[in-house]
Amino acid sequence: DIQMTQSPSSLSASVGDRVIITCRASQDIGNDLQWYQQKPGKTPERLIFGARYLDTWAPSRFSGSGSGTEFTLTISSLQPEDFAVYYCLQHNHKVYTFGPGTRVDFK
Amino acid sequence: QVQLVQSGAEVKNPGASLTISCKTSAFDFTTNFMHWVRQARGQGLEWIGLVSPWGEVAGYPPELQGRVRLTRDTSTSTFYMELSNLRPDDTATYYCSRDVLDWGQGTLLTVSS
Repeated sequence: DIQMTQSPSSLSASVGDRVIITCRASQDIGNDLQWYQQKPGKTPERLIFGARYLDTWAPSRFSGSGSGTEFTLTISSLQPEDFAVYYCLQHNHKVYTFGPGTRVDFK
Repeated sequence: QVQLVQSGAEVKNPGASLTISCKTSAFDFTTNFMHWVRQARGQGLEWIGLVSPWGEVAGYPPELQGRVRLTRDTSTSTFYMELSNLRPDDTATYYCSRDVLDWGQGTLLTVSS
């Protein structure tokens, strides 16, 4: 099965900061990667699909890039509502895999 | 709009079995995949498996192999997840999710003696 790692596992940032989260796959998954945001007590919400395509409901400050085994989620200017946990999800094979998550909290 | 309504919270003893249901409305059985995901309190998301539009089941992380079964009943628009030989580390909130986009409200399972 494909294993996913994320770095960092957590980060502290301020409003307005540029934040970059990395997700790595144990084997080539092409562009079959999605990014999710989860806030406390809520279900996850997808932000990015196909590694780089922004969902219509997601703010434009979010962007995704990468292919193969290394991917990034960038928040260009962190907003107060962005403090949350972010997960990548690979769906290259029938068995999907979430990354372990990256917690973004307030510095 | 798709709605996913899951069955209620459960408390089970180790070794027991349970079934969680996920009743859907506006679910397109010809195109939509139903996924199951679990999340222990304060922990990350764990993908369990999926049922495809053609009824194929895929998934099951190693720790669930042989203990989990995903099924569906198209006549009642309901999906089911059966989990057997429950262990304390199965304690988590279980979600059904259409295409990992729309989510049920979650079912809290507590396994404790």
